[in-house]
Amino acid sequence: GQNIDQPTEMTATEGAIVQINCTYQTSGFNGLFWYQQHAGEAPTFLSYNVLDGLEEKGRFSSFLSRSKGYSYLLLKELQMKDSASYLCAVTLRLQAQLWSRSSNSGYSTLTFGKGTMLLVSP
Amino acid sequence: DTGVSQNPRHKITKRGQNVTFRCDPISEHNRLYWYRQTLGQGPEFLTYFQNEAQLEKSRLLSDRFSAERPKGSFSTLEIQRTEQGDSAMYLCASSSDTPPDTGELFFGEGSRLTVL
Repeated sequence: GQNIDQPTEMTATEGAIVQINCTYQTSGFNGLFWYQQHAGEAPTFLSYNVLDGLEEKGRFSSFLSRSKGYSYLLLKELQMKDSASYLCAVTLRLQAQLWSRSSNSGYSTLTFGKGTMLLVSP
Repeated sequence: DTGVSQNPRHKITKRGQNVTFRCDPISEHNRLYWYRQTLGQGPEFLTYFQNEAQLEKSRLLSDRFSAERPKGSFSTLEIQRTEQGDSAMYLCASSSDTPPDTGELFFGEGSRLTVL
């Protein structure tokens, strides 16, 4: 089975930096995604990590350590509009026999954590 | 293209009734997914289509649930004999298998179901 853990809630102040952690226990890890979801809206893609290291994209950065089963999303210069749920999601490498039956990709569908609700206050 | 489209956006029904949701994916995407999300939880995978073939189904998808994608374009998710526990947001997502094939999903706005 898979287990993805992230904090339920976090609070931070406008202009600050916040780090949202995600740990996972899976077999056959392939890659890790971060999505942002505002209340009542669809999740939107933020980042994708498949190799160890830091991926930077504007105010948002995401880090992955495959050996530790650990990722974080770093948000800088927080704005009020960053108040949202942040979802960590993983894909797994499919075994060859499953891969040929399931799809023409080598990975599973996304499995999401429960999300971290971030509240940014003035 | 305006992205993944779902309708209806909201559905209120009485227990025991059948409901159907429709999803129109991004036109060039051949993969389509259904997820279910309840308050305070992340999306939970229900089922996945590659073109018109349903390739994967979660154990969450009881026999009251059926999904189709007859022509490999739009998809429908039908819930028969609805129960109060079916109340949730039903999210549709699509993705492309053209390189780079990362598995990134593009989500629709969702269809919120309330079973009274």
